[in-house]
Amino acid sequence: SQQGEEDPQALSIQEGENATMNCSYKTSINNLQWYRQNSGRGLVHLILIRSNEREKHSGRLRVTLDTSKKSSSLLITASRAADTASYFCATYNTGTASKLTFGTGTRLQVTL
Amino acid sequence: GAVVSQHPSRVICKSGTSVKIECRSLDFQATTMFWYRQFPKQSLMLMATSNEGSKATYEQGVEKDKFLINHASLTLSTLTVTSAHPEDSSFYICSARYMYGYTFGSGTRLTVV
Repeated sequence: SQQGEEDPQALSIQEGENATMNCSYKTSINNLQWYRQNSGRGLVHLILIRSNEREKHSGRLRVTLDTSKKSSSLLITASRAADTASYFCATYNTGTASKLTFGTGTRLQVTL
Repeated sequence: GAVVSQHPSRVICKSGTSVKIECRSLDFQATTMFWYRQFPKQSLMLMATSNEGSKATYEQGVEKDKFLINHASLTLSTLTVTSAHPEDSSFYICSARYMYGYTFGSGTRLTVV
């Protein structure tokens, strides 16, 4: 299945700084989701944004979606060391048999 | 709610043997489950979609005879890696769709020696 591209591939910041990750995708979508994965673990759902939404907030997370550019961004504000993980965007389209298509991921390292 | 339990978390097996990985939905019924494979520092690649009571749908390039999927009940799907070889070593993750989205197992690290 085609994957979206995420950038940067890796991001290292200091605690307290903001982290921004970008995701681009190729096909039309019904929604876009962001997931977090700690090393060697499963995925945890962070936030979902529908195709008719442009921005969504959840705690320290802010997600934007630009369907005309087929892109999304995830902003984590006031980062903490515990935010260190890999972050993946995933797109959903009802025409793809309920499958999620994952982006390439961004590895975030937050240092003290 | 919507918890998926995946076992084992780690397994080491000898080349040529088979390994079974289980994925159970604990508090909901999962008619559809998904199996992914993930190489180090890479994204998740969908291997197959498992449907309760019917044959799994495999993604292009995935060997059906090597990766056997069984979804015999609404709470259990299994992935069996048959005649495993070192190149099958990877991180395998299951996922289930429920009312509000998708939930993921904690993954299985398979090492074939």
